[in-house]
This record gives sequence, structure tokens and C-alpha cells, in this order.
Amino acid sequence: EADIYQTPRYLVIGTGKKITLECSQTMGHDKMYWYQQDPGMELHLIHYSYGVNSTEKGDLSSESTVSRIRTEHFPLTLESARPSHTSQYLCASSDLYGGNTEAFFGQGTRLTVV
Amino acid sequence: GQQLNQSPQSMFIQEGEDVSMNCTSSSIFNTWLWYKQDPGEGPVLLIALYKAGELTSNGRLTAQFGITRKDSFLNISASIPSDVGIYFCAGRRTSGSRLTFGEGTQLTVNP
Repeated sequence: EADIYQTPRYLVIGTGKKITLECSQTMGHDKMYWYQQDPGMELHLIHYSYGVNSTEKGDLSSESTVSRIRTEHFPLTLESARPSHTSQYLCASSDLYGGNTEAFFGQGTRLTVV
Repeated sequence: GQQLNQSPQSMFIQEGEDVSMNCTSSSIFNTWLWYKQDPGEGPVLLIALYKAGELTSNGRLTAQFGITRKDSFLNISASIPSDVGIYFCAGRRTSGSRLTFGEGTQLTVNP
């Protein structure tokens, strides 16, 4: 079982609020990712990190920002939430090197902005 | 960016039937992964494939890494209601590259 955790699981918040979605992993993985997914739809990579102090934007443009100060922690922040940010946000991690490079996912945070 | 073509997009089957789905790419991949996602949850890794031609089973699930390295297949035998969910393929072109995901196959199993 993967040791990657996301909090909160569900969040309903008003427009204009600042929010931070937490993601932590205890596997010592260097690479971490944030995906955005609408219900029943494909995953879109919005941010990724190859290690501490490394962050890159993904394939889908996002108004969110991320930070990687510690290997195990990769929080995602929205400075001013809008209804268009309503979605499921999935965090994942994987090894940077090595023969087996599976990615493991957290349970997700379902965000609703009203 | 690079995309994987996953098919079918959705399947409606009767309990006990076998299921097949596949992913194809115009590029060569050196890793293929298959995930299952239940509603409201994150994807869970089912099978990982690392060599062309590799055939790997996990219970009633069998996946194959295509010989051309541009495709992969997932089969589910004797489906049961708890197989319901979205199945995603994912591929990695090189060891250090990011995963590319397919669009998903929504599986519905009628009892």
C-alpha cells in the first residue's frame, strides 16, 4: 500500500479565499506531482517536482502554485479560489531513478468553490 | 504534449464476462502502467510492465507490454461488480521522464 497522504479529502470554500492542499509521502521519493481531474475524466498534470527546491509547471495551465521545501511535502496553494477551480486534485510520487518507477497516488482532494 | 490513445472509452458488460482494453502511442515507451480509480478516490496501481513482450498477471487481471513498445493491453477475466471503475493506462518514455496518461476506460458491470 502506498504511503502518500492528502488533506483535506473534501473542501468547500467561498470565492476569493486562499487555500492550501497538503500532500505528504513517507517513501522518500524524489519526484512528486499534482494532477487535476474532473469527475470521470482524464488526469491533467499541473505541477511537478524533481526534488527539494525544484518545481515545474505541468501540461495544463493552472493558477495554483507549489513549493518543495522538504522531500516528503509538496503543498499546492490557490491564492484566490474561484468556481472554475472546482475539481479533484490528486498528488502522486515516484522514484527519480531506479528500474521500477511506478507512481503512487494519494486519495485526492475534492475541492468545491462556491 | 504526448498523448496515449486508450480504448474503448466506456464499456457496459454483464457479470462474468471478460474485458479487454488497450492503449496505443505513436512513440516508444519503456514502461507501461495500468491503474484503477474508484469514484472519489485516487488511482491505484494494478500492474507495471517494463519489458517489450512482457505478460504479467495480478489475479484476474493480465496486462501485456506490446512488442512494438507502442502499445499495451489489459484484460480482466470473469468480471465482478467490484471491477466497476475507471481504468487508466500510463506510459513512461525514459526512466527519468514524466508519466503520460490515457483518457481512461469507464467500466460498468451489471450483476
